[in-house]
Amino acid sequence: AQSVAQPEDQVNVAEGNPLTVKCTYSVSGNPYLFWYVQYPNRGLQFLLKYITGDNLVKGSYGFEAEFNKSQTSFHLKKPSALVSDSALYFCAVRDRRGGADGLTFGKGTHLIIQP
Amino acid sequence: GAVVSQHPSWVICKSGTSVKIECRSLDFQATTMFWYRQFPKQSLMLMATSNEGSKATYEQGVEKDKFLINHASLTLSTLTVTSAHPEDSSFYICSARRGLVQAEQFFGPGTRLTVL
Repeated sequence: AQSVAQPEDQVNVAEGNPLTVKCTYSVSGNPYLFWYVQYPNRGLQFLLKYITGDNLVKGSYGFEAEFNKSQTSFHLKKPSALVSDSALYFCAVRDRRGGADGLTFGKGTHLIIQP
Repeated sequence: GAVVSQHPSWVICKSGTSVKIECRSLDFQATTMFWYRQFPKQSLMLMATSNEGSKATYEQGVEKDKFLINHASLTLSTLTVTSAHPEDSSFYICSARRGLVQAEQFFGPGTRLTVL
């Protein structure tokens, strides 16, 4: 079975500071990894994904994530946080070997950027 | 591009009635659509996967006779909650994917179902 852990319910960062939202995963094979963001009353929006290749993935709105196979992690990062980045962030995984075709999500992390 | 809509955005119904939720990919053809359920302050849980023209694949613990899924075209999937009960009250979210399994899914805004 596959699973995703987001160890922090909430992350608080001052505007302009770098931010990190943590994600670790467990799959039997190799993963496809995704980050989504959810704003209030809006659907999940795709930020970035790791499929293969370069471990550092760049996505929308200046976000990036680093795939670390040895630590089974896929932390989301941004060099300089904006107040508008405040939202609920979900990490998700799909095992390349099969199983459920849909995604397994972490429980989400509330990111709060303070002016 | 890659917009997914859901209708209705919210619905209130009486216990024992059936409710249909529509999911449409507006500007692309979705080879696969998914239905998730999200409980308050919890993550999304995959309910089922559907491919156009074939039967849906349900996750363990999801009653296929209660949650009927129809994927009649490459742009429309429907979820019907049959004989709804208060415990079916939840936030239902659909997503659509075009192409291969490594492609990202695009999510609808969700439907809030309240069963009285």
